[in-house]
Amino acid sequence: KAGVTQTPRYLIKTRGQQVTLSCSPISGHRSVSWYQQTPGQGLQFLFEYFSETQRNKGNFPGRFSGRQFSNSRSEMNVSTLELGDSALYLCASSLAPRRQETQYFGPGTRLLVL
Amino acid sequence: AQSVTQLGSHVSVSEGALVLLRCNYSSSVPPYLFWYVQYPNQGLQLLLKYTTGATLVKGINGFEAEFKKSETSFHLTKPSAHMSDAAEYFCAVDGGATNKLIFGTGTLLAVQP
Repeated sequence: KAGVTQTPRYLIKTRGQQVTLSCSPISGHRSVSWYQQTPGQGLQFLFEYFSETQRNKGNFPGRFSGRQFSNSRSEMNVSTLELGDSALYLCASSLAPRRQETQYFGPGTRLLVL
Repeated sequence: AQSVTQLGSHVSVSEGALVLLRCNYSSSVPPYLFWYVQYPNQGLQLLLKYTTGATLVKGINGFEAEFKKSETSFHLTKPSAHMSDAAEYFCAVDGGATNKLIFGTGTLLAVQP
C-alpha cells in the first residue's frame, strides 16, 4: 500500500501570502490529522478531519484552516502568512478517529516564509 | 490533562551499547502511548505503541518499551545500538477525550562508532 503523500514537499512564500498544502491518506484511511513541527514549539496538533468534518482543532489562530474531501484527501490553508509560520507541516492518516489507532505520517511539507 | 516529558534532549551511545530513552506521561484516563522515530528530512515512523494488555511492547528494529503505570513511564530501550539508529525519537500520548497525539519534545540519539 502506498503511504501518506504530501504535496508540495518544499515551499517558499513571503509574508502576507497564503498557502495551500495537500495530503493524500493511505487508501482506506478516513481520518486525517495535521501537525506543525518547529524547533521552538516542537510537534503541535493543528486539526483533525473525519468524514469531511473537522472533529478537533488545536490552539492555532483562525488563519489556519483545512478541509477534507469525499475521497478523504485533505488540504490545509494558511492565510496572511507570518514569519513564524515557517515550519514542517505533517499530515497523518488513520483508519478511524479512535484513541488507540496508529497515525501514519507523511514526509511533510517544509514551508519557509520570507 | 495529557502531557509527555522526555528527559534528555540529546543522548549519545556507542555502537553496541544499550539505548535507553526516557518518557514520562500524565493522563487523566488510561493512556495510549506511542514511540515514533524521525530521520532527517522525513516524517514520523511508528516504532511501537501501548494500548492495553501486555505492558512490555516490542516494536520494529529491535526496540521495546515497558508501560509502568506506577511510575507513569514508558521508556524505550534497545539492547545494542546500531549506527542506523541515529535519529530523533518522540514519545506521544493520546489526547484523552480525542485521538490527537500529544508529543514530547524529542530526544536526539547519536551513535558513536
